[in-house]
Amino acid sequence: KQEVTQIPAALSVPEGENLVLNCSFTDSAIYNLQWFRQDPGKGLTSLLLIQSSQREQTSGRLNASLDKSSGRSTLYIAASQPGDSATYLCAVRFNTGGFKTIFGAGTRLFVKA
Amino acid sequence: NAGVTQTPKFQVLKTGQSMTLQCAQDMNHEYMSWYRQDPGMGLRLIHYSVGAGITDQGEVPNGYNVSRSTTEDFPLRLLSAAPSQTSVYFCASSNGPGQPQHFGDGTRLSIL
Repeated sequence: KQEVTQIPAALSVPEGENLVLNCSFTDSAIYNLQWFRQDPGKGLTSLLLIQSSQREQTSGRLNASLDKSSGRSTLYIAASQPGDSATYLCAVRFNTGGFKTIFGAGTRLFVKA
Repeated sequence: NAGVTQTPKFQVLKTGQSMTLQCAQDMNHEYMSWYRQDPGMGLRLIHYSVGAGITDQGEVPNGYNVSRSTTEDFPLRLLSAAPSQTSVYFCASSNGPGQPQHFGDGTRLSIL
């Protein structure tokens, strides 16, 4: 069964700290992996999309990496700010079974001022 | 600049009632999907479509129907609402499997 796991479930850090969020998946036959941000009671905002042929993507203070062979992706946030407080979701689109997308349960991040 | 539009934003139903959640996108995207999000969980795929006239089941399809008669619209039907279907429902679209998914703002559905 295709599964996506995110660790940790919650994280609290002081402002300015660099941090890493983890996403693992059970099937390496993926099409792409997308990281989202979700604020409480809101929809999903796309942060980064990594295709299966890519190793990483960067946008501002965010860097996402992909290691397909080990079934892992990380989202690196540099110099965290209180405005980064949100839930971060990892979504994997698999090659098999009709390109279904499976989400992890998310990491809830709190950045303290 | 509409993107993906979901209606209604909120809805309360009684057990056994039926209703349709609407989803429309104006980006000419072929791929559309419906997800539900429950507290403490990620999004779970209900149904998806890779083009007009083509739909398939996701992880949790029971109790839901979909159809895709046009590229723009992908309605989700609850045939006989149950309290277990209380959730937040999100619709998403993308311009193919390799492209990023764009999400609507969600529909909060409560079933009493």
